[in-house]
Amino acid sequence: EAGVTQFPSHSVIEKGQTVTLRCDPISGHDNLYWYRRVMGKEIKFLLHFVKESKQDESGMPNNRFLAERTGGTYSTLKVQPAELEDSGVYFCASSLGQGNLYEQYFGPGTRLTVT
Amino acid sequence: AQSVTQLDSQVPVFEEAPVELRCNYSSSVSVYLFWYVQYPNQGLQLLLKYLSGSTLVKGINGFEAEFNKSQTSFHLRKPSVHISDTAEYFCAVSPYNQGGKLIFGQGTELSVKP
Repeated sequence: EAGVTQFPSHSVIEKGQTVTLRCDPISGHDNLYWYRRVMGKEIKFLLHFVKESKQDESGMPNNRFLAERTGGTYSTLKVQPAELEDSGVYFCASSLGQGNLYEQYFGPGTRLTVT
Repeated sequence: AQSVTQLDSQVPVFEEAPVELRCNYSSSVSVYLFWYVQYPNQGLQLLLKYLSGSTLVKGINGFEAEFNKSQTSFHLRKPSVHISDTAEYFCAVSPYNQGGKLIFGQGTELSVKP
């Protein structure tokens, strides 16, 4: 069974540009989470999808971030326009269903560098 | 609100020695507790979790953790470490009935030396 995959693994962009990160959860997992780790800081929750619906987006830093999960499968996280403080590692995680919320499987992360 | 404090940012230890990675948390609501490990160039992997029941939890790779409610701690231990345990370890909590989101500590880098 394939794990959670993320694309790209690395992205280097200039301030003001747009970047789209993609996450493919484990097949059949209804729950999808995005987290971010800024260098030297803790991993922080961004948002949670249940299928295609946003269940909790309390961690989204501002309206430059837009997350979608079309058809309840893969998810994208777009940053537009990117700022220097957006640099960090973006992790995606998925879990099966209501009874398995606490069994999250993480992807390897996307390292975003904004210059 | 919840917060998690990992008391050591780096822990160097010799192979076959015991190790304890410390974690304290603060929360106004009940939480579940977790330890994750991240090996180089990989995603986070669940080591163990405490949801209910016995306060001593055993996980993968010989790790265990003990939940202490009065001290709001969830320290991770292993009696004898291997070189392959070199990784970054994260303590996390998840508040009851909040969809499973995780609140992480800052991470502890465990370095096992021969």
